[in-house]
Amino acid sequence: DSGVTQTPKHLITATGQRVTLRCSPRSGDLSVYWYQQSLDQGLQFLIQYYNGEERAKGNILERFSAQQFPDLHSELNLSSLELGDSALYFCASSMTGGYNQPQHFGDGTRLSIL
Amino acid sequence: ILNVEQSPQSLHVQEGDSTNFTCSFPSSNFYALHWYRWETAKSPEALFVMTLNGDEKKKGRISATLNTKEGYSYLYIKGSQPEDSATYLCAPLGSNTGKLIFGQGTTLQVKP
Repeated sequence: DSGVTQTPKHLITATGQRVTLRCSPRSGDLSVYWYQQSLDQGLQFLIQYYNGEERAKGNILERFSAQQFPDLHSELNLSSLELGDSALYFCASSMTGGYNQPQHFGDGTRLSIL
Repeated sequence: ILNVEQSPQSLHVQEGDSTNFTCSFPSSNFYALHWYRWETAKSPEALFVMTLNGDEKKKGRISATLNTKEGYSYLYIKGSQPEDSATYLCAPLGSNTGKLIFGQGTTLQVKP
C-alpha cells in the first residue's frame, strides 16, 4: 500500500460528459502528479502540483484541468469526454516534488467512455 | 528530455537466471534517473532514484548503475525469481521538477 488514495476505482460514462477524479496523497507529501496510461501509449505525465501551485505541465489537453486544494488532495477534471480518453489515470505523490524524490503511485482510476 | 529508449522490449528467462536491461536517454540537461517496477494489475513502485554519474544502487537482488556522460543506465537482476516478473520502467528528468518522462519499459517474465 503506497498510501496514495484514488477514487473512484472505476468510472464508466458516455462521450461528451464530464468527470472528476480524486486523489489523496501520502501523509506528509506536498506534491501531487497525474499520469495517463492509454492502451497504445506508455505512462504519460499530465501535470504536477506542489502545495497548491502548478509546478510542471505535460501534454495535458485543454479539456482537462486539475487543482490541488489546501488540504493537499487533488482533483483531475475531464470534460467533453471522447472515446480516446478511455485510460487508466494514476495519481502519485512525493514529499516536496523535487527531481530526486521517488514518486508513490495510487492504484489508479480506470475510465471507460462508451 | 525526450527519446527515452529501453531495451529489450521484453525478456523471458528461467528462474535463477541473471538478467539486465538498458535505459538510454539524452545526456544533456540531466537531473536524475528513476527506475520503477510495475507488476500486472498493480501500480508502479519506485525502485531507485539516481542522480550522480557513476551512481550504483542496490535493493536486494536488484541493482542499477548510471552513466550520465553517455546517457544510459543498466538495471541488473541477480538470480531472477517468478515474483520479479513485471515491467521495469525508467524515467529521466531534465528539470528540477517531478516531470517523469517514462520509457516504454522492459517486460520481464521469469519462468519457474
